[in-house]
Amino acid sequence: AQSVTQPDIHITVSEGASLELRCNYSYGATPYLFWYVQSPGQGLQLLLKYFSGDTLVQGINGFEADLKRSQSSFNLRKPSVQWSDAAEYFCAVGVGTASKLTFGTGTRLQVTL
Amino acid sequence: DGGITQSPKYLFRKEGQNVTLSCEQNLNHDAMYWYRQDPGQGLRLIYYSQIVNDFQKGDIAEGYSVSREKKESFPLTVTSAQKNPTAFYLCASSTTGDGQPQHFGDGTRLSIL
Repeated sequence: AQSVTQPDIHITVSEGASLELRCNYSYGATPYLFWYVQSPGQGLQLLLKYFSGDTLVQGINGFEADLKRSQSSFNLRKPSVQWSDAAEYFCAVGVGTASKLTFGTGTRLQVTL
Repeated sequence: DGGITQSPKYLFRKEGQNVTLSCEQNLNHDAMYWYRQDPGQGLRLIYYSQIVNDFQKGDIAEGYSVSREKKESFPLTVTSAQKNPTAFYLCASSTTGDGQPQHFGDGTRLSIL
């Protein structure tokens, strides 16, 4: 069965510093990959998705993700974090046409001044 | 604007009582989903539906029921058989097909009195 692992439960970075959130997936082939962000008490907002093609995917708000098939990873990056980026981030994988997604357990990002 | 509306935002249930969470979408999406979110566990799929009058169990369907009589609506009933219903419930929708992202509502927080 497909699975998603986000190894970091909680990360703290300083405002203006770079950010990398890790996501590892387990599946026989490269699945569809997504990153979502959730503010407290809110739903999830899509940051970016990988469907096919270029393995460096650009998203909203300056986020990008890099698919590395050899490592089964899809890490989320941002060159300069802002205070407003503090939230919880979820990686998800989807397979085939069923549109079902499997979510990681999330990484909570704290941003310090 | 198109979107997903969940109501109510907060809901309280007495022991032995069934409660129904509402989810309505005006995105013309065929597929709809219900997730349960608990701290540190990410999102777990309760039920999903890819077409009107049809739905499938997800990973944690016990103690829950759904209906899909209209394309726009996918209500979730938390029955008295669900022994630990306190959680944050998220509804999502998507088009069907390869790699389609899901769009989320703002959630309903259910608590036990």
